[in-house]
Amino acid sequence: DGGITQSPKYLFRKEGQNVTLSCEQNLNHDAMYWYRQDPGQGLRLIYYSQIVNDFQKGDIAEGYSVSREKKESFPLTVTSAQKNPTAFYLCASGSSRDSLRYFGAGTRLSVL
Amino acid sequence: GQQVMQIPQYQHVQEGEDFTTYCNSSTTLSNIQWYKQRPGGHPVFLIQLVKSGEVKKQKRLTFQFGEAKKNSSLHITATQTTDVGTYFCAVSGGGADGLTFGKGTHLIIQP
Repeated sequence: DGGITQSPKYLFRKEGQNVTLSCEQNLNHDAMYWYRQDPGQGLRLIYYSQIVNDFQKGDIAEGYSVSREKKESFPLTVTSAQKNPTAFYLCASGSSRDSLRYFGAGTRLSVL
Repeated sequence: GQQVMQIPQYQHVQEGEDFTTYCNSSTTLSNIQWYKQRPGGHPVFLIQLVKSGEVKKQKRLTFQFGEAKKNSSLHITATQTTDVGTYFCAVSGGGADGLTFGKGTHLIIQP
């Protein structure tokens, strides 16, 4: 069953803590993306990766970090430097043949 | 970079009424995509339009690309409660990764 799996579904972060959101895809897509969505708002790009071992900053990369050691995986770390991390985080993947995005179910991050 | 304006931001309709959302750009677009996000869910790709004046239908949904390829619309006929959600357009070009999303139109349906 092909798709994108994000975990956990819900995550709570204590102040000063780093947390990592998981994103795995078995669609054999080269590109992967992380978006942040605030309530009632659109999608803002955090980081993206078009190939293994390479990634680029998006529009709101500050306070976040990523890695792309495997084609299937693109984890996002929300660092303590991100002062307003409460949001819905969406991972997506895409083929190099087109610009379509296939989204995971998302992770809701809240601050304790 | 590429800018796209999506209107309206919110739309309340009675169940059974029609609904339309518009996506407008000041520059010519190579293509446009539409996504739907149900409340609490994730965006799901609906369709991509590429050709000038293109019209595509999916059951009660009609998607149109303008003749000048600067605007697009999504029209839903006789809305149902299952149509509730946010509809996003996305255009190629602009944005760090080459795809720019509109801010979305939230469709609220009153039974």
